[in-house]
Amino acid sequence: GENVEQHPSTLSVQEGDSAVIKCTYSDSASNYFPWYKQELGKRPQLIIDIRSNVGEKKDQRIAVTLNKTAKHFSLHITETQPEDSAVYFCAASTGTASKLTFGTGTRLQVTL
Amino acid sequence: GAGVSQSPSNKVTEKGKDVELRCDPISGHTALYWYRQSLGQGLEFLIYFQGNSAPDKSGLPSDRFSAERTGGSVSTLTIQRTQQEDSAVYLCASTPGHEKLFFGSGTQLSVL
Repeated sequence: GENVEQHPSTLSVQEGDSAVIKCTYSDSASNYFPWYKQELGKRPQLIIDIRSNVGEKKDQRIAVTLNKTAKHFSLHITETQPEDSAVYFCAASTGTASKLTFGTGTRLQVTL
Repeated sequence: GAGVSQSPSNKVTEKGKDVELRCDPISGHTALYWYRQSLGQGLEFLIYFQGNSAPDKSGLPSDRFSAERTGGSVSTLTIQRTQQEDSAVYLCASTPGHEKLFFGSGTQLSVL
């Protein structure tokens, strides 16, 4: 089955700096790669996703890139703010109505 | 509208007892997922339903774990003879058929 690895497990950046979180996946059939943000004590929420027919997607300060050949994808957050502090999870699936396999999460701390 | 609802929000039980966790998905969502999140850990897939059937039960940790879904709506996750290692947050999520998951706020299970 699919295996998703995520790095780093913790990341501390100063406010205004950029943060990058990387994930690799094992199943070449995977074609959907979402990122979820989980604030302390809250439920995970989707922040951005990308499909395998696209190499990059942006939404304001966040962007995701995908390298299908290397089977890795990354989350980029620019101009970080304290409210970006949370645990971020990457995930992969083979599409609609199939299970989503999550990475182990990255705890991002944005310091003032 | 209402989101995914889980009950109870907290459950404390004694080792060896059985517990039932309930998930009420968003109305009309055909797919329903159960994940387990241990303290500081990632999201561990348990089981997924499409309608009332469970095409993928591969994540259930042991035969003490079972789940059902009736009427294409409410799902119950049952853990028999609970063990201390079952202590975790059990998250339910639903989706209307595309991949975005809508998570509930989880059930915090503590096995003493």
